[in-house]
Amino acid sequence: AQSVTQLDSQVPVFEEAPVELRCNYSSSVSVYLFWYVQYPNQGLQLLLKYLSGSTLVKGINGFEAEFNKSQTSFHLRKPSVHISDTAEYFCAVSANTGGFKTIFGAGTRLFVKA
Amino acid sequence: DTEVTQTPKHLVMGMTNKKSLKCEQHMGHRAMYWYKQKAKKPPELMFVYSYEKLSINESVPSRFSPECPNSSLLNLHLHALQPEDSALYLCASSQGWGGGAGAGELFFGEGSRLTVL
Repeated sequence: AQSVTQLDSQVPVFEEAPVELRCNYSSSVSVYLFWYVQYPNQGLQLLLKYLSGSTLVKGINGFEAEFNKSQTSFHLRKPSVHISDTAEYFCAVSANTGGFKTIFGAGTRLFVKA
Repeated sequence: DTEVTQTPKHLVMGMTNKKSLKCEQHMGHRAMYWYKQKAKKPPELMFVYSYEKLSINESVPSRFSPECPNSSLLNLHLHALQPEDSALYLCASSQGWGGGAGAGELFFGEGSRLTVL
């Protein structure tokens, strides 16, 4: 079985500062890893994904994440955040267990302050 | 703009009502999903349809009844719901369920916010 742990429930940060949202996963098989963002009263939108290959993955809106197999981590980073980045961020893992069932972490609320 | 369309966006119903949530996608995806999301919680998987057949039912109560009329449409029929069923119901789709390109990448609609009185 797979599981995902997001280490911070809330991350407050000032505008134009860098941010890192942490995610650890566990799985007995190879996984695909994702970060989704959810703005208020909306569905989830894919930010970026790791399927294979380069461990540094770039996504939309200036976000990037690094897959670290030895530490079973997939932390999300952005060098300079904007007010508009305020949202809920979900790390997710998907593995082939007879179908690609996606498991979501509990979420991290990113709050960008002026 | 989302390519997964859900209707209605808001629904208020009594415990004795029968209503339906609808979802449509035109991306040619072969897998479709229903998720339930309570406030400040992650989405929880309810059902998965692959090639219009029910592949997963996550032990969802029978008062929720999914239907997949064709590869583009997914319905969730609601009957005799409880107030604790109030939540955001999210529909999603993916290229496939069994693997291959796009496996695991979900495309979500904006959700239907359900309130049960």
